[in-house]
Amino acid sequence: EIVLTQSPATLSLSPGERATLSCRASQSVSSYLAWYQHKPGQAPRLLIYDASKTATGIPPRFSGSGSGTDFTLTISSLEPEDFALYYCQHRRSWPLAFGGGTKVEIK
Amino acid sequence: DVQLLESGGGLVQPGGSLRLSCAASGFTFSNYAMTWVRQAPGRGLGWVSALSGSGSDTYYVDSVRGRFTISRDNSKNTLYLEMSSLRVDDTAIYYCAKALGSSNYYFDFWGQGTLVTVSS
Repeated sequence: EIVLTQSPATLSLSPGERATLSCRASQSVSSYLAWYQHKPGQAPRLLIYDASKTATGIPPRFSGSGSGTDFTLTISSLEPEDFALYYCQHRRSWPLAFGGGTKVEIK
Repeated sequence: DVQLLESGGGLVQPGGSLRLSCAASGFTFSNYAMTWVRQAPGRGLGWVSALSGSGSDTYYVDSVRGRFTISRDNSKNTLYLEMSSLRVDDTAIYYCAKALGSSNYYFDFWGQGTLVTVSS
């Protein structure tokens, strides 16, 4: 079973700043990793899949990188609507799994 | 537009059963794998179960295997999760979600969720 560990748990930043979120896998997931944004009371939103491919309708300020066990989600310049929870998810093998999440909050 | 609407949540006693449904529209349902994901109070997202577009391949997290059954009726564009022997730690919002493809298990559309509360 592959475990995903996200860091930091909370990221306190101001609008306009760059956000860098990390996701580490307990064993290689190749490039089979996605990132989601989740706001309270809303459905989760797919941002990135296959580590670096941007999902339909996602603004270019969101980008993903990495392979193997270490992955990064970067938000180049935070907009007010970007303050939310972010989760990574792998599809390398069964069971699928999500990371524990990173909360991006307004500083 | 793709829409997913969950129903069937509610309050149930430990050991009880519940069936969740997810009505899908706006896409060719049988062409896509589907999944259930839950979020317990104060916790993150947790993957529960998935099945292929045809319904022939099913997958479960260990904690629900043998208690939960995922299925689909492609003629009704509906996904199901039959839950039995429910435990207090099954309490969560349950989301259904559509996969990117028939066996591409990333999830691009999600429902709003249905709340399951297991309590005596």
